[in-house]
Amino acid sequence: DAMVIQNPRYQVTQFGKPVTLSCSQTLNHNVMYWYQQKSSQAPKLLFHYYDKDFNNEADTPDNFQSRRPNTSFCFLDIRSPGLGDAAMYLCATSRDGGNTGELFFGEGSRLTVL
Amino acid sequence: GQNIDQPTEMTATEGAIVQINCTYQTSGFNGLFWYQQHAGEAPTFLSYNVLDGLEEKGRFSSFLSRSKGYSYLLLKELQMKDSASYLCAEVDSNYQLIWGAGTKLIIKP
Repeated sequence: DAMVIQNPRYQVTQFGKPVTLSCSQTLNHNVMYWYQQKSSQAPKLLFHYYDKDFNNEADTPDNFQSRRPNTSFCFLDIRSPGLGDAAMYLCATSRDGGNTGELFFGEGSRLTVL
Repeated sequence: GQNIDQPTEMTATEGAIVQINCTYQTSGFNGLFWYQQHAGEAPTFLSYNVLDGLEEKGRFSSFLSRSKGYSYLLLKELQMKDSASYLCAEVDSNYQLIWGAGTKLIIKP
């Protein structure tokens, strides 16, 4: 059974039209991450939550926001998607911070911007 | 900044052995991961090395040399389903995860 579930798997939006991607986990992990990955590139960390503590990467555009209303759910809001935001968005969890434990990824949400 | 270097693409034959190399900057190190990522799918964990040496896990093995800033992933008895990208990721001195762009492995019959 999937332990990290992302919805939707595929999202098509128009330039400037807000989008929300969701992630849920059944692992009860403390840490949840959002990554952006473009074709043939390394995953790029956008932000992560350690419990309710939000950590934004310095180069994450203001256009990207996140919410974690409880342990199980985390949302990625893209307020005004541009063509350059078309990518795969990966949610991941880990038991603890420090990045020395395995990351459990969802299957990703592929965003297309028209 | 941190750099992770790994080949962009490799080709190997079904049943053969392939070694995928990864180098990283040695200024601060807290472990190295290998993940497998099939096209259009999420990465899945393969291995984590923090001490020098070879760790074997079935057909896959991962090696680390901290003094050389070098790791490799060794895949034996290659199968067609091993066609994927293999991502190397280093945990740096600040416990940040630094990802490589991945090595696309193409398996031919």
